[in-house]
Amino acid sequence: QVVLTQSPSASASLGASVKLTCSLSSGHRSNAIAWHQKQPEKGPRFLMKLNTDGSHNKGDGIPDRFSGSSSGAERYLTISSLQSEDEADYYCQTWGTGKRVFGGGTKLTVL
Amino acid sequence: QLQLQESGPGLVRPSETLSLTCTVSGGSISSSNYNWGWVRQPPVKGLEWIGSIYYTGTTYYNSSLKSRVTISVDTSKNQFSLRLSSVTAADTAVYYCARDDILTGLIDYWGQGTLVTVSS
Repeated sequence: QVVLTQSPSASASLGASVKLTCSLSSGHRSNAIAWHQKQPEKGPRFLMKLNTDGSHNKGDGIPDRFSGSSSGAERYLTISSLQSEDEADYYCQTWGTGKRVFGGGTKLTVL
Repeated sequence: QLQLQESGPGLVRPSETLSLTCTVSGGSISSSNYNWGWVRQPPVKGLEWIGSIYYTGTTYYNSSLKSRVTISVDTSKNQFSLRLSSVTAADTAVYYCARDDILTGLIDYWGQGTLVTVSS
């Protein structure tokens, strides 16, 4: 059973960069994941698919400010030049044994 | 561009059955590359996958909900549906429909969501 672990919260200043982490449980280090953004009062938005080697495919219209990288069991989402609208919950998601699994989400505050 | 739109009652009585439909536009639900599924988010909680269906009718369910969930597909209408039986207040949530890749299980399109409240 794959488990995704995310820090509950993160914060960074307007215009700065932030790196969010999603950790894959033991035995699932090779899983690709997806990153999704959930803004208040809006539906989730697919940001990117992120592979083990760090290659990623972004969704329609996702700005270059959003990028992904990988190291071992860790999957990262980096947001640069933070804007106020980036304040949101960020979820990672993967798949295992026919089941789709979400991390607990990271609430990003833009200061 | 692909769009998914949920529809259905916003209020369901306890012990009754929740029914929602997702209408897909801008693409065919009969695509061989994708599953179509449901995800929910209870108030102040994270996202929970409910289940997915392939256009042929093959289904995949979250084991924690499997005994109460039925997902079906109507390719002629480009729609798929969710039925959740014997609901309680714990089923109050925003329900989203979504598309995922059959090879990776990764979701790449979402609906806007619909709030369903379980209350008498």
